[in-house]
Amino acid sequence: QKEVEQNSGPLSVPEGAIASLNCTYSDRGSQSFFWYRQYSGKSPELIMFIYSNGDKEDGRFTAQLNKASQYVSLLIRDSQPSDSATYLCAVNPLSSASKIIFGSGTRLSIRP
Amino acid sequence: EAGVAQSPRYKIIEKRQSVAFWCNPISGHATLYWYQQILGQGPKLLIQFQNNGVVDDSQLPKDRFSAERLKGVDSTLKIQPAKLEDSAVYLCASSYARTGGNTIYFGEGSWLTVV
Repeated sequence: QKEVEQNSGPLSVPEGAIASLNCTYSDRGSQSFFWYRQYSGKSPELIMFIYSNGDKEDGRFTAQLNKASQYVSLLIRDSQPSDSATYLCAVNPLSSASKIIFGSGTRLSIRP
Repeated sequence: EAGVAQSPRYKIIEKRQSVAFWCNPISGHATLYWYQQILGQGPKLLIQFQNNGVVDDSQLPKDRFSAERLKGVDSTLKIQPAKLEDSAVYLCASSYARTGGNTIYFGEGSWLTVV
């Protein structure tokens, strides 16, 4: 079982709709969760982080964490073509508190 | 504030040759990471330093990869001899925190092609 799992996509969403990206993790004691966006040929850039169960909103982005289900998601409202990128979920596992482990990413395509 | 600096940006070498990548983290960041990202995959942690000490190098292929962070600032990642499967982007990242759980910031990456 991979430590951080994401659907590779591509996920195609019409412009203006809500894009929903999902991630599961294996270490139940994981403490911190991050979403990074990576444009083709560029390095990852942080979108959001979340530590507590529930929702965290930042502009058009909402991160949702459910530790009981070991599930974290990212919602993008009013999707724009500029949101087309690969979205990486990253986890700080309790098993190795100094590590940040990444999933393989989900490719998101926003169609006009 | 200056970001994470990496060089060279691009490198093409033949298999069995050697290559070295350099990274300068964000000023004041104690933790430095080297990740390998193969096309279509997520970044894989190779080695993590806290100041000038190694915290985790469990996924570093030590028979060919080496890394150092002298004086707790700049870091160098070396590959010798290179294999075709080493073709990837080598991402350096840094974090203020001494342990995980805080945001890491990436450099632009060093793209390696082994032919």
